Amino acid sequence: NAGVTQTPKFQVLKTGQSMTLQCAQDMNHEYMSWYRQDPGMGLRLIHYSVGAGITDQGEVPNGYNVSRSTTEDFPLRLLSAAPSQTSVYFCASSFSGLETQYFGPGTRLLVL
Amino acid sequence: KNEVEQSPQNLTAQEGEFITINCSYSVGISALHWLQQHPGGGIVSLFMLSSGKKKHGRLIATINIQEKHSSLHITASHPRDSAVYICAVSQNTGNQFYFGTGTSLTVIP
Repeated sequence: NAGVTQTPKFQVLKTGQSMTLQCAQDMNHEYMSWYRQDPGMGLRLIHYSVGAGITDQGEVPNGYNVSRSTTEDFPLRLLSAAPSQTSVYFCASSFSGLETQYFGPGTRLLVL
Repeated sequence: KNEVEQSPQNLTAQEGEFITINCSYSVGISALHWLQQHPGGGIVSLFMLSSGKKKHGRLIATINIQEKHSSLHITASHPRDSAVYICAVSQNTGNQFYFGTGTSLTVIP
């Protein structure tokens, strides 16, 4: 099992550009989520999904879109990148929203 | 607002010392999680607990539901324990996790 995979590992964007962060898991987990991690702050939930076709907003959803067309994949889209979106992004999955989460290796995003 | 508070923020210990990291939370929870983030950035789950105590090797996690407090203990600390330890709670009213800001532990040989 590959677990939770994320691509790319590192990305530099210019303000206004769009991009998609990819996340995939092979553990047949229903719950998937996206977090951002900023210095001095805990992980903050951006969006989450409790199953294919179902997504919901977390604590900091503005500027991000998600979709869940399959159980395995949960991409995060930045519509128009801003410097405030410079962060490390983690995808995680679990059997449910109450269970142990498995984290991807993270994507470092720099928006200039 | 901070649903999860950790202390201390930073901790330096000599190899072999007994270490305690504390976590307090303010929301109703279904479970509390302790995570470890290595210097390379990867995050792994150490414990999930909703009552009592769990032990894995040199790591012990306890939770007091009435006091809304948990502790992570490391016995006989080793330099390889150097990492950021993160407390998180899964709220009992939804599908969201809340995370503490982490405790950065450095164990000196």
